[in-house]
Amino acid sequence: DAGVTQSPTHLIKTRGQQVTLRCSPKSGHDTVSWYQQALGQGPQFIFQYYEEEERQRGNFPDRFSGHQFPNYSSELNVNALLLGDSALYLCASRPNTYTGELFFGEGSRLTVL
Amino acid sequence: LAKTTQPISMDSYEGQEVNITCSHNNIATNDYITWYQQFPSQGPRFIIQGYKTKVTNEVASLFIPADRKSSTLSLPRVSLSDTAVYYCLMTFGGNTPLVFGKGTRLSVIA
Repeated sequence: DAGVTQSPTHLIKTRGQQVTLRCSPKSGHDTVSWYQQALGQGPQFIFQYYEEEERQRGNFPDRFSGHQFPNYSSELNVNALLLGDSALYLCASRPNTYTGELFFGEGSRLTVL
Repeated sequence: LAKTTQPISMDSYEGQEVNITCSHNNIATNDYITWYQQFPSQGPRFIIQGYKTKVTNEVASLFIPADRKSSTLSLPRVSLSDTAVYYCLMTFGGNTPLVFGKGTRLSVIA
């Protein structure tokens, strides 16, 4: 049973560009959330998707947007990249019957030059 | 959700028991106490969760006093592979997102 998978694992962009990160949740999970983790910090919640809709959002600007597809996979889009967007982007999934355990992928490391 | 406070870092020798204490003075009645472990360049991994008293699994034990204002994660006989960052979080369930602090960086020394 594959866990949460994310792609790409690493990527480099320049300021002003746009990036799309992808996530496939663990089998049987229908809720996906995204977190941003800067170096030396804990992960920060970006948003959560369920039934193809954004259900909750953290304190991130509108440059950060997402999508969830009918197969529960998800994308995170970031427009007009800033140097400060350099971070590890983590996707996490959970089943609808939430027990408090989130399953995280290994992340996508974004470097903005 | 209640704010948590835990040590920034800890060192331990292999084979020792490690106890990491987390303070959560404003814990709410519905909050569960949950610990995650994170290795470098990987996503956090759920370790253990509890509401009160003691919880034990194959990886760790979690001790929660009656007032629930603190909790202690206990890792028995640590090895070098336990070197990681450990996060203490309050989880409510439903759609409440996880709120991570900076965690405790545990370094296990041979």
